[in-house]
Amino acid sequence: DTAVSQTPKYLVTQMGNDKSIKCEQNLGHDTMYWYKQDSKKFLKIMFSYNNKELIINETVPNRFSPKSPDKAHLNLHINSLELGDSAVYFCASSHQGTGYGYTFGSGTRLTVV
Amino acid sequence: EDQVTQSPEALRLQEGESSSLNCSYTVSGLRGLFWYRQDPGKGPEFLFTLYSAGEEKEKERLKATLTKKESFLHITAPKPEDSATYLCAVNSGNTPLVFGKGTRLSVIA
Repeated sequence: DTAVSQTPKYLVTQMGNDKSIKCEQNLGHDTMYWYKQDSKKFLKIMFSYNNKELIINETVPNRFSPKSPDKAHLNLHINSLELGDSAVYFCASSHQGTGYGYTFGSGTRLTVV
Repeated sequence: EDQVTQSPEALRLQEGESSSLNCSYTVSGLRGLFWYRQDPGKGPEFLFTLYSAGEEKEKERLKATLTKKESFLHITAPKPEDSATYLCAVNSGNTPLVFGKGTRLSVIA
């Protein structure tokens, strides 16, 4: 069983469209994350989400909105897609607290044309 | 603000040629320093967590060490299958992991 699974793996869409990426984890973790990896492979935190608290990175445009129906799922919805949104988006999960490693999904490569 | 700097950006080794990757960090209260391996088209894969200066951890040909300012990932007698991007990340308090830009390692047979 895949620990952290993301769908779709590839997403090609036109500018201005709205799209969603889904993430599910079966590890029993209580915290989930979205990271963006740019063309230079730099991983940057976008959001972290615990059952009770959503932490938003200030540099993330408000066109990006995470939604968590339960603690095993964290989806990412993106409105009005722009060319600069093209990147690989990774979902990850962990136990909340200090010093716990994250388990990452295999990523969603988003290409905006 | 937590910061992580990795060097070199890229490293090319002959098979069997040992070397080290560096991760320098600035953090207010280190709770953990993490090493990950990332293969092309895949997500980062957890390797090690180090919690305090002087700590060392090993896994096969890899050994990670930690001081108060930096961590090293030593690769002994590397093989081509060790080729990957190695990522360093730090955790302080309850903030999400902050990653460096990685070192892209190529091991040539």
